[in-house]
Amino acid sequence: QVQLVESGGNLVKPGGSLRLSCAASGFSFSDYYMIWIRQAPGRGLEWVSYLNTGGTMKYYADSVKGRFTISRDNAKNSLFLQMNSLRAEDSAFYYCARVSRGNSFAFEYWGQGTQVTVSS
Amino acid sequence: EIVLTQSPGTLSLSPGERATLSCRASQTVSSSYLAWYQQKRGQAPRLLIQGTSIRATGIPDRFSGSGSGTDFTLTITRLEPEDFAVYFCQQYTSSPIFGQGTKLEIK
Repeated sequence: QVQLVESGGNLVKPGGSLRLSCAASGFSFSDYYMIWIRQAPGRGLEWVSYLNTGGTMKYYADSVKGRFTISRDNAKNSLFLQMNSLRAEDSAFYYCARVSRGNSFAFEYWGQGTQVTVSS
Repeated sequence: EIVLTQSPGTLSLSPGERATLSCRASQTVSSSYLAWYQQKRGQAPRLLIQGTSIRATGIPDRFSGSGSGTDFTLTITRLEPEDFAVYFCQQYTSSPIFGQGTKLEIK
C-alpha cells in the first residue's frame, strides 16, 4: 500500500535550518508529482512547494520562496525540503503528499506529518 | 489569486442527519480541479473527493460532491459518528489553494 513517512522536524532557532525528508513506498515514486503542505497548530492548510516527476520544475509559495528548496531522489524514493532562514511563522506540521495524475491536482495520499517549531 | 470561502465555519448536527458543506470561489474554478478533504483530530488530511464529484478510493457513497463555476458542495447523507471532523476544499489553477475549513461537530 502507499506509504509516505516524513522525518526531520525539530525545534530550531529563528534563522536556523532544517532538512525534511519523506520516504515513499508502495507506488512508482518517479511517476508522480509530489508536494509539501504545512499546517500551523489549529490553523488551515497551506501549500509550501511542489515539483514534477523528474525534479526539474519546482514551485514555491511566496511565503517560502528564496528560503526553502524542494528536491527528490527517485532512485531512493525520497522527497526533501531544505528549509533555511527559518522564521517563527514557519512553525507547523509539514506533510508530504502525492499529487494525483491526469486532469486533476488533488493530494491522494499524505504522510503523518513532521513538526517544525521555530523558537528562541 | 483565487480565494476559497467555506461555510458554515462550524456545523452542528446529529448522527443520521444530512450535512451540506459549501465552498465558494472568488473566481470561476475548473470542476476538474476541485477537491475535498477530511481531517480528524491529530491526523493528516484524507482525500474524499476530486474532480468535484469523484470519490477517492475507499470513500463511502454517503459522501458526494457537486457544483460548478464558483459554488461547490460536499454532502454527507446519514452522518456516522466517524464523520465528525474538519473538512477542507481545495482548488488548483496556477497554484493550490485551500479553503479555511468547516468543522462538523456533534450536536
